[in-house]
Amino acid sequence: AQTVTQSQPEMSVQEAETVTLSCTYDTSENNYYLFWYKQPPSRQMILVIRQEAYKQQNATENRFSVNFQKAAKSFSLKISDSQLGDTAMYFCAFCGGSNYKLTFGKGTLLTVNP
Amino acid sequence: DAGVIQSPRHEVTEMGQEVTLRCKPISGHNSLFWYRQTMMRGLELLIYFNNNVPIDDSGMPEDRFSAKMPNASFSTLKIQPSEPRDSAVYFCASSLALLAAGCTDTQYFGPGTRLTVL
Repeated sequence: AQTVTQSQPEMSVQEAETVTLSCTYDTSENNYYLFWYKQPPSRQMILVIRQEAYKQQNATENRFSVNFQKAAKSFSLKISDSQLGDTAMYFCAFCGGSNYKLTFGKGTLLTVNP
Repeated sequence: DAGVIQSPRHEVTEMGQEVTLRCKPISGHNSLFWYRQTMMRGLELLIYFNNNVPIDDSGMPEDRFSAKMPNASFSTLKIQPSEPRDSAVYFCASSLALLAAGCTDTQYFGPGTRLTVL
């Protein structure tokens, strides 16, 4: 069974600074997908970024980028130029290529301070 | 597109009552998922439909829970009778993915229903 571990329950960052959220996973599959979802106080789960394991290039979406280390089974999220609206719970999620189930980590609560 | 629509957004009920949660997936999506989020257990998949057919209900906690998808644009999750330990946020998500496609398509979540059972 796959597991996803987010070792930082809470983090804080000053507005305009950069922060990195950590995620590790365990799987025996070779083809899979990794996701970061954001859950602000409104509770809505919003996709931030996704990475396909067979792609070596790290995914980027505007201020959000990942550092995908397949051998180390690590998938960290970097948020540049942090904004107050980035304050949210961030979930790392794994999905095996032949599967459909998203396995979520416990989440990291990020607070962006003014 | 309006995204995944869930109703109600909040539900407060008393133990023993029947509760029905509703979901309208994104038009054209083939897969529909029901998740439950609690502080203790995080996000858990309850049931997965593909082309309106239940594919995997192994996450449904017990017989008190049932889910239906009578057509491509509507699904319900019913709890009867409800218990205080059912209190949680219930999410519906949908994706384009056909059954054999696995995770190739992203799951898009609705706003969730916060259920409180007194």
